[in-house]
Amino acid sequence: AQSVTQLDSHVSVSEGTPVLLRCNYSSSYSPSLFWYVQHPNKGLQLLLKYTSAATLVKGINGFEAEFKKSETSFHLTKPSAHMSDAAEYFCVVTLRTGNQFYFGTGTSLTVIP
Amino acid sequence: KAGVTQTPRYLIKTRGQQVTLSCSPISGHRSVSWYQQTPGQGLQFLFEYFSETQRNKGNFPGRFSGRQFSNSRSEMNVSTLELGDSALYLCASSPTRLRGDSYNEQFFGPGTRLTVL
Repeated sequence: AQSVTQLDSHVSVSEGTPVLLRCNYSSSYSPSLFWYVQHPNKGLQLLLKYTSAATLVKGINGFEAEFKKSETSFHLTKPSAHMSDAAEYFCVVTLRTGNQFYFGTGTSLTVIP
Repeated sequence: KAGVTQTPRYLIKTRGQQVTLSCSPISGHRSVSWYQQTPGQGLQFLFEYFSETQRNKGNFPGRFSGRQFSNSRSEMNVSTLELGDSALYLCASSPTRLRGDSYNEQFFGPGTRLTVL
């Protein structure tokens, strides 16, 4: 079975400081992992994806995530938060050969000016 | 390339009615998935269609149904609406749905916000 746990329901950072959003996954087989962002009243936008190539994945808007199999983690980071980063972030796991997405419960990121 | 489109964007219905939501995937995408998003339950998978066939189904009652047409457009139907069906319904399309593919990113539409009164 596949599942993800987002360890923080809410994260608050000051503008210009680093962002860390934590995600742990559980998967019976080799997973694909994604981070999506959802701004208010908008659909989900892909930030980055891991599909068995490099374990350090770079995404859009300066975000990156590292796949750590030994820790079953896929944490999302950004060196310097921007006001426009305030949104809901979802960690997602799926089987490499599957198409059913399993979403985490989301982390709401607040950026303080 | 145009993104995933969903119509209508907003709907208000009353209990007991039925509703049909529409989704047009990105051109060339053959897989369409539907999700329900609510504050209490988060994002939950409803079902996935590929080449007009339902390939996967989530844990929802039979009141929730869907279909896919030969042009990959998809509709979902909810019959006998309940207050708890109020949610944002998201559609996502994917470029591939073949076994062994390692690339299965999903592209999401803006959603249809359904309010049941």
